[in-house]
Amino acid sequence: DVVMTQSPLSLPVTLGQPASISCTSSQTLVYSNGNTLLSWFQQRPGQSPRRLIYNVSKRDSGVPDRFSGSGSGTDFTLKISRVEAEDVGVYYCMQGTHWPWAFGQGTKVEIK
Amino acid sequence: QVQLQESGPRLVKPSETLSLTCTVSGASITASYWNWFRQPPGRGLESIGYIYYTGDTNYNPSLRGRVTISLDTSKSQLSLRLSSVTAADTAVYYCARGDRAPDPWGQGTMVTVSS
Repeated sequence: DVVMTQSPLSLPVTLGQPASISCTSSQTLVYSNGNTLLSWFQQRPGQSPRRLIYNVSKRDSGVPDRFSGSGSGTDFTLKISRVEAEDVGVYYCMQGTHWPWAFGQGTKVEIK
Repeated sequence: QVQLQESGPRLVKPSETLSLTCTVSGASITASYWNWFRQPPGRGLESIGYIYYTGDTNYNPSLRGRVTISLDTSKSQLSLRLSSVTAADTAVYYCARGDRAPDPWGQGTMVTVSS
């Protein structure tokens, strides 16, 4: 199975400052159609996961443009340009290329 | 707006079968893939399996043949059955639309396995 590894697992951030989360997969995530099936999810406290980014860098409708995704192959990054209070929660990367889909361990973003 | 709502027993005894239903509104259940995921307390997310409207399914091998996912198109529902449960199956169970990059997700339902 593909293993997804995130770092850091805990990320204290000052309001208004940037944040960056890394995600590495144990196998390439390039799918047969040429797309790379790496998504990012936000899980606010007490809520279900919400997709923010799919296909590495495509932002979902309604997601603030301070969120951006990048990367290729096996190495990916989620960046928040200026953290706001509503961004507190756990962020997961997920690969949809190889079954079973796999998630990273999660990165907990909190305000310093 | 697509909405998903999980429902079912919150408490299941060890060795019995966990059964959950996910009701879909705002979208045709015959137009997509549908997933089940779970999240043990304080832990990360795990894929359980998915189904296409044709009835094609794919299950996580880690569940060792204990899982069955089905669709009831007349009720716009998908179902999950997990047999021979143990305490390790205690988790919040989520349904979600779409394959490979699921969205949206239901609010989840907590299921506890205990005698």
